[in-house]
Amino acid sequence: GNSVTQMEGPVTLSEEAFLTINCTYTATGYPSLFWYVQYPGEGLQLLLKATKADDKGSNKGFEATYRKETTSFHLEKGSVQVSDSAVYFCALSGAMTTDSWGKLQFGAGTQVVVTP
Amino acid sequence: DGGITQSPKYLFRKEGQNVTLSCEQNLNHDAMYWYRQDPGQGLRLIYYSQIVNDFQKGDIAEGYSVSREKKESFPLTVTSAQKNPTAFYLCASSEQASAGGRYNEQFFGPGTRLTVL
Repeated sequence: GNSVTQMEGPVTLSEEAFLTINCTYTATGYPSLFWYVQYPGEGLQLLLKATKADDKGSNKGFEATYRKETTSFHLEKGSVQVSDSAVYFCALSGAMTTDSWGKLQFGAGTQVVVTP
Repeated sequence: DGGITQSPKYLFRKEGQNVTLSCEQNLNHDAMYWYRQDPGQGLRLIYYSQIVNDFQKGDIAEGYSVSREKKESFPLTVTSAQKNPTAFYLCASSEQASAGGRYNEQFFGPGTRLTVL
């Protein structure tokens, strides 16, 4: 079945540091890939997405590239701010030809703490 | 503003009681979902519905029940059969998870934190 593995947290950074959160996946066919962010006590918000190989999703300074050859979708940001402190979830939605299409499979989440 | 609302934000239940969590959306989405979130874990799918009057079990449906009588509403009942119900519950919706909803982007509500006393 589909699965998502992301690096464990917490990841603690100083403001303006470079952030990378690794995400790899196992899936049949060509899934859609997502990064969601969750601020304390809130629901999830979509941060970015990519729907086919070599697509790059970007939003609010964050980027992730859909790498089919390495089955990865790593999240990066060049200069983090204190306001980026949150939990980040990598997720996939199964390929259109599978019965898992439409359902999201989430990684365990990575907590990011940015200090001033 | 379009969005998803969940109520209440905090809910306390005594052991042996059923409790119902509300989820309403005004995004005109066909599909709706319920997830459970436990500390240090990702989200796990409880139930989902692709259309009114139809729903399917997710990965952890035991001890839960749902209904989908209206397009905009998808309430979740946590029954006394759920042995460990204390968790954060998230509702989500998306465009039809078939031919039209290609990207399957899900929009989430703010969540309900359920605590069993």
